[in-house]
Amino acid sequence: KNQVEQSPQSLIILEGKNCTLQCNYTVSPFSNLRWYKQDTGRGPVSLTIMTFSENTKSNGRYTATLDADTKQSSLHITASQLSDSASYICVVSAQSAAGNKLTFGGGTRVLVKP
Amino acid sequence: DTGVSQDPRHKITKRGQNVTFRCDPISEHNRLYWYRQTLGQGPEFLTYFQNEAQLEKSRLLSDRFSAERPKGSFSTLEIQRTEQGDSAMYLCASSLTGTNTEAFFGQGTRLTVV
Repeated sequence: KNQVEQSPQSLIILEGKNCTLQCNYTVSPFSNLRWYKQDTGRGPVSLTIMTFSENTKSNGRYTATLDADTKQSSLHITASQLSDSASYICVVSAQSAAGNKLTFGGGTRVLVKP
Repeated sequence: DTGVSQDPRHKITKRGQNVTFRCDPISEHNRLYWYRQTLGQGPEFLTYFQNEAQLEKSRLLSDRFSAERPKGSFSTLEIQRTEQGDSAMYLCASSLTGTNTEAFFGQGTRLTVV
């Protein structure tokens, strides 16, 4: 069964500090991995996408890593801002005859405090 | 604004009533997905369309749920005889065909069954 596990479930950090979110997956056959940011009451918005051959991808203060051998990914937030408060969801795409199927992790809820 | 629009944004209904949600994807996108998200959890896959063809349905989609995309453009999700357990955020996403194309999400429809 395809699964995506994220940790921690939630974390609180002070404004300006860094943090790292983890994602472990058992999705096969692997196509790509995305990190999404979801503000409360809104739909998820893509931050990064990585394929099998990519091991790091940056988007501003967000840097994602991928280790396809261990099936692990991380999202690092540098110099956090209050607007970074949101849920961060790891999404892994599996190849199928019907097209890519997305499996979502449960998300990590990040609260940035001043 | 991601370009995917969902209507209504909020719906409160009494148990046993039928409800219908609408999703308008980005115009050139031929793939359309429905997901359900309960509080504190990541989105769960419900069903997926390629143009007007419904290619996959999750086991979460009981007989009370039906989705259509009659002309390969907008889609509707109907829930018959709603139950309190149906209370959730219903998210729609669309994408182009392709291995690593991004799925763009709408703002969601929050359903509350009382």
